[in-house]
Amino acid sequence: KAGVTQTPRYLIKTRGQQVTLSCSPISGHRSVSWYQQTPGQGLQFLFEYFSETQRNKGNFPGRFSGRQFSNSRSEMNVSTLELGDSALYLCASSPGGGYKDEQYFGPGTRLTVT
Amino acid sequence: LAKTTQPISMDSYEGQEVNITCSHNNIATNDYITWYQQFPSQGPRFIIQGYKTKVTNEVASLFIPADRKSSTLSLPRVSLSDTAVYYCLVGKGANNLFFGTGTRLTVIP
Repeated sequence: KAGVTQTPRYLIKTRGQQVTLSCSPISGHRSVSWYQQTPGQGLQFLFEYFSETQRNKGNFPGRFSGRQFSNSRSEMNVSTLELGDSALYLCASSPGGGYKDEQYFGPGTRLTVT
Repeated sequence: LAKTTQPISMDSYEGQEVNITCSHNNIATNDYITWYQQFPSQGPRFIIQGYKTKVTNEVASLFIPADRKSSTLSLPRVSLSDTAVYYCLVGKGANNLFFGTGTRLTVIP
């Protein structure tokens, strides 16, 4: 079974621009979560989508948004990029996001904002 | 949202058993305890999960005392390839997980 894939793997953007990151979950997984990882803040939860609906949301500004399609693929968008948005963005999928579900992480997209 | 406290770093020699303890004083009744491993430039990888007492799989053991306010990940006979950051998480399954800063384990030859 193929793992979680994320595209692109690397991205360089300029302050003020917007960016869209893509995540394809493991086949059959309906829950997709996004995380931001930086050296200073560690891994922080952004949001989780299940069956095309945002089910949980972390403490990030409205510039960070996402969506999930009917095939469970998910996209994350960051508008009006700031230097502090430079990070590794990780996507994780699980069968249903339930109590005992294990999350499977993708390799991440490294975003650099200049 | 339960938070966790782990040592920032640990060193161990190859072949030794490593125990990493995590404190989670505010764990809720329905929370599970999960440990992940992360190598540089990769996403975290699930190691083990438990609710109470002891859980063992092919790579690690997880010890959880009765009060569940802490847990210990035990890695038997570590090798150089076990050098990574280890995260302890508590939460209700796959969503709303707080990763914390993790423990950077360095295995020394």
